[in-house]
This record gives sequence, C-alpha cells and structure tokens, in this order.
Amino acid sequence: ETGVTQSPTHLIKTRGQQVTLRCSSQSGHNTVSWYQQALGQGPQFIFQYYREEENGRGNFPPRFSGLQFPNYSSELNVNALELDDSALYLCASSRTSGNTIDFGEGSWLTVV
Amino acid sequence: GESVGLHLPTLSVQEGDNSIINCAYSNSASDYFIWYKQESGKGPQFIIDIRSNMDKRQGQRVTVLLNKTVKHLSLQIAATQPGDSAVYFCAEIEDSGAGSYQLTFGKGTKLSVIP
Repeated sequence: ETGVTQSPTHLIKTRGQQVTLRCSSQSGHNTVSWYQQALGQGPQFIFQYYREEENGRGNFPPRFSGLQFPNYSSELNVNALELDDSALYLCASSRTSGNTIDFGEGSWLTVV
Repeated sequence: GESVGLHLPTLSVQEGDNSIINCAYSNSASDYFIWYKQESGKGPQFIIDIRSNMDKRQGQRVTVLLNKTVKHLSLQIAATQPGDSAVYFCAEIEDSGAGSYQLTFGKGTKLSVIP
C-alpha cells in the first residue's frame, strides 16, 4: 500500500465531455504529479503541483488542468475529451523532490 | 519514430534463475533513477532507486547498476519468482533545483517467469 488513492477506478466518457479525476495523498506529501499512461506504454508526465501551485508541466495542452488542496488531495480535469485521451491516469506523490515517489493504482478513462 | 505501444521487449526466465533487465536513459543531467514494477491493471510500484553518485545499490533480491558513461541502467533480480512477472520500467529524474521534477520513463520490459 502506497497511501495514494485514486477515484474513480474506471469510467467511460463521450468525446467532447469533461472529466475530473481525484487523488488523495499521504499526510505530508506536498508534491503531487499526474501521469498519463496509454496502453502498452510508459507513463507520460502531465504536470506537478507543489503547495497548491503548478510548478512543472509536460507536453500536454491547456485542456488538461489540475488543482491541489491543503488536505493533500488533488484533481486532474480534462476538458473537450478526445478519443486519444483514453488511458490510465496515475497520481504520484512525495514529501519533497528526490524522495520516494509513490503511485496510486490509477483511473482508467475510456473515451468513446 | 517507431511506436512501441504494443511491442514491449519481453524477457522470459525460468523460475529460480536470475533476471537482468536493461534500460538506456537519455538525459546525461539526470541525477536520480528509479525502477518500478507494474502488474497488470495496477499502478507502478517502487522497487529500488539509485543516485548518480553511485554505480551500484542492492536491495532484497534486487540490484541496480548504473553506468553513467554509456547512460545505462540495469535491474538484476535474483532467484526470480512467479510473482515477479510484470512490466518493469526505469525512470530518470533531473532535479531542476526549483522544486520541480518529473519522472521520464523508459519503454518498459515485460518479464514472464516460467514455473
């Protein structure tokens, strides 16, 4: 158990819709990152939040956005869903950079 | 470039044998490396890490070797067990010094253990 929990575990959305995925980290884990993992590939970095502010972003368009809350929870929001957004979305947290980075079990998103 | 989406490198080993999984990384400025194990339908699970000032680190049944000259990592699993069957990823981190970091994952290797 990593102490990182994600919800929902699976969901299906229609192209053009919006989705919110949630993550709850361990107490004291003030850094959270989100990754997208397409089937059969390695996770790709979406963005990172530190103390409720985005402080790093990968090659993803602005329709991917996030929030981090004081209670160590966070959200990933994706607007205007596209078929290629179908993937496993992973949340990862740690206390500070360079420490062990723990992943949740992910949220499987299918866009139809 | 070639899509490796459905063509993960595969390693098949007999139960009890040692496994060696290799990984080439791209960023010579990376200073921290992690090996993750990912079972089907689950998130990546931390196995072992190593910093760039080391060339070897051992854990329980696992050893990571780092060769910075050729930007190569390997994961050795001793006495491989059926429960070791999974996809293994190496990941690198470059510490920007501004508190921001990202894991860059390798392509992954699927390990299959033959009972």
